Amino acid sequence: DIQMTQSPSTLSASVGDRVTITCRASQSISSSLAWYQQKPGKAPNLLIYKASSLEGGVPSRFSGSGSGTEFTLTIGSLQPDDFATYYCQKYDGYSRTFGQGTKVEIK
Amino acid sequence: EVQLVESGGGLVQPGRSLRLSCAASGFKFGDFAMHWVRQAPGKGLEWVSGISWNSDTIAYADSVKGRFTISRDTAKNSVYLEMNSLRGEDTAFYYCAKARPPGSYYLPIDSWGQGTLVTVSS
Repeated sequence: DIQMTQSPSTLSASVGDRVTITCRASQSISSSLAWYQQKPGKAPNLLIYKASSLEGGVPSRFSGSGSGTEFTLTIGSLQPDDFATYYCQKYDGYSRTFGQGTKVEIK
Repeated sequence: EVQLVESGGGLVQPGRSLRLSCAASGFKFGDFAMHWVRQAPGKGLEWVSGISWNSDTIAYADSVKGRFTISRDTAKNSVYLEMNSLRGEDTAFYYCAKARPPGSYYLPIDSWGQGTLVTVSS
């Protein structure tokens, strides 16, 4: 099975910072990658699909890039509402592996 | 508005069975692939199982293969997860989730229910 590895596991940042999270696949998944944001006690929320397509209603400060095995999620200018945990997920093939998550904390 | 409402969670002893249900509304259920995703308390997300719009494609995580069965009933706008031989490590919130635009199974999840808690303990 294809493994998804996110880094870092935790990230401390300040409001206004540019933040980048990386997700690596153990084999090529083309552009079949999504990013989700999850806040405590809530279901996840889709941010990005097809590696770089912004889901409707998601602020434009969120962007995604990459293809094959290496992907990034960038938050252009971190806002107070963005402190949360972020997950990548592959959706090619039958199984849908998630990365282990990246918690974005207030510095 | 898309609504996914899970039910059937609760406390169950190891080795026993439980059936989760997810009632869908606000979209044409029969056109979309559906999934179950779980999250142990304080842990990350784990995809459990998925089923295509017509039930032709069904897949499971290795951790549940042979013990869990996913199914759907278009007439009832519902998807189910039959869980057998439950273990302590199956303790988690179980989310029902809907895939993006209709058609292929190979599309991302775009909507989630609020989850139902399954606790496996003696």
